[in-house]
Amino acid sequence: GAGVSQSPSNKVTEKGKDVELRCDPISGHTALYWYRQSLGQGLEFLIYFQGNSAPDKSGLPSDRFSAERTGGSVSTLTIQRTQQEDSAVYLCASSGQTSGGIYEQFFGPGTRLTVL
Amino acid sequence: AQRVTQPEKLLSVFKGAPVELKCNYSYSGSPELFWYVQYSRQRLQLLLRHISRESIKGFTADLNKGETSFHLKKPFAQEEDSAMYYCALSGGTDKLIFGTGTRLQVFP
Repeated sequence: GAGVSQSPSNKVTEKGKDVELRCDPISGHTALYWYRQSLGQGLEFLIYFQGNSAPDKSGLPSDRFSAERTGGSVSTLTIQRTQQEDSAVYLCASSGQTSGGIYEQFFGPGTRLTVL
Repeated sequence: AQRVTQPEKLLSVFKGAPVELKCNYSYSGSPELFWYVQYSRQRLQLLLRHISRESIKGFTADLNKGETSFHLKKPFAQEEDSAMYYCALSGGTDKLIFGTGTRLQVFP
């Protein structure tokens, strides 16, 4: 593919609803990352996948947040019982990195989540 | 703790003026430092990394371990440099720790 893609581009939901955000990484990239971009907060790391496993989930803000990756490709970030403070732009990135090296992360366009 | 600080939220200059976007970091080991840029309506992209020691679009950044800084510099700003700039740190793990970003505005 041309690059990292994310869907939906925009999501408006009501407080208390669950949402799923999808990320399609660049084909062949083994590493996948989720970040959150909140107003005035910069980019905040959420979770990192190497293949289908998540060796670093340290950035997930609460147990309402979860993510999975299947087939070493597509990843889904799920937020349960959304709260207004979850409103942000959720960015996905992928890299061709394997353990031991730091490779460039390529970012998707993001999903803007608004919780009313 | 790993931390990246960008003290300026907004930096405004006129075209042709020098630019310096400040970045300080906190990390006890040997970090890898990056600058990412986000132009209006575009996705975040890598501008440069300290390990490459290269100049991209006229920008350079030198890692100063003594001052724990990685300031981004350009001698003559252009209008097309207007964007959001993020300094980021990778401290031996795979994730990036970002600063809060500096918006650069270059006026004609």
